[in-house]
Amino acid sequence: DAKTTQPTSMDCAEGRAANLPCNHSTISGNEYVYWYRQIHSQGPQYIIHGLKNNETNEMASLIITEDRKSSTLILPHATLRDTAVYYCIVRVRAGGGNKLTFGTGTQLKVEL
Amino acid sequence: NAGVMQNPRHLVRRRGQEARLRCSPMKGHSHVYWYRQLPEEGLKFMVYLQKENIIDESGMPKERFSAEFPKEGPSILRIQQVVRGDSAAYFCASSPNAATLANEKLFFGSGTQLSVL
Repeated sequence: DAKTTQPTSMDCAEGRAANLPCNHSTISGNEYVYWYRQIHSQGPQYIIHGLKNNETNEMASLIITEDRKSSTLILPHATLRDTAVYYCIVRVRAGGGNKLTFGTGTQLKVEL
Repeated sequence: NAGVMQNPRHLVRRRGQEARLRCSPMKGHSHVYWYRQLPEEGLKFMVYLQKENIIDESGMPKERFSAEFPKEGPSILRIQQVVRGDSAAYFCASSPNAATLANEKLFFGSGTQLSVL
């Protein structure tokens, strides 16, 4: 699975959009981009994933560049409860076996 | 529809004792994964099991650690003769048994915090 690079930490004002970048310059054509987050002392939570098209769900939007070497997770209206470590993971989509390799992620702090 | 259930939530053991961590996957899920998170570090994959089978144990320490997922009952992560370095949060995750889109997500439990005195 391709390696990802994320900023160590970011701050965001409550109510504003939080844009979390991820670089995955060595991504292969069959590798997907996944985002999970981990709120303090809890288990990770799935947010969104995509291959090359932009994706949106009730939690967030995922913007993937045309060359697929980087992506951005967007939380449109961040709240205090979005304070968490956000992990960008790149992996091959394979049926039967969902092992994820977590990096160090981005600590997002949402403030008043 | 209950999520992934882990117990105990907190477990305290003295050096040399055994620790047993339990994980009940979500209903209908037959794939279980165990991860360990040391203090101030990221999650590290340990083992992937299906019912009665260990599929991938590449992240398991060679000694003292074992995992099982019997036909009936929860998955168990067992640590024998615990040492202080085993102190960590242990998370279990599950995914469905069908190779469908739902297989793309892992659903995590709240973890077991193991403290070794």
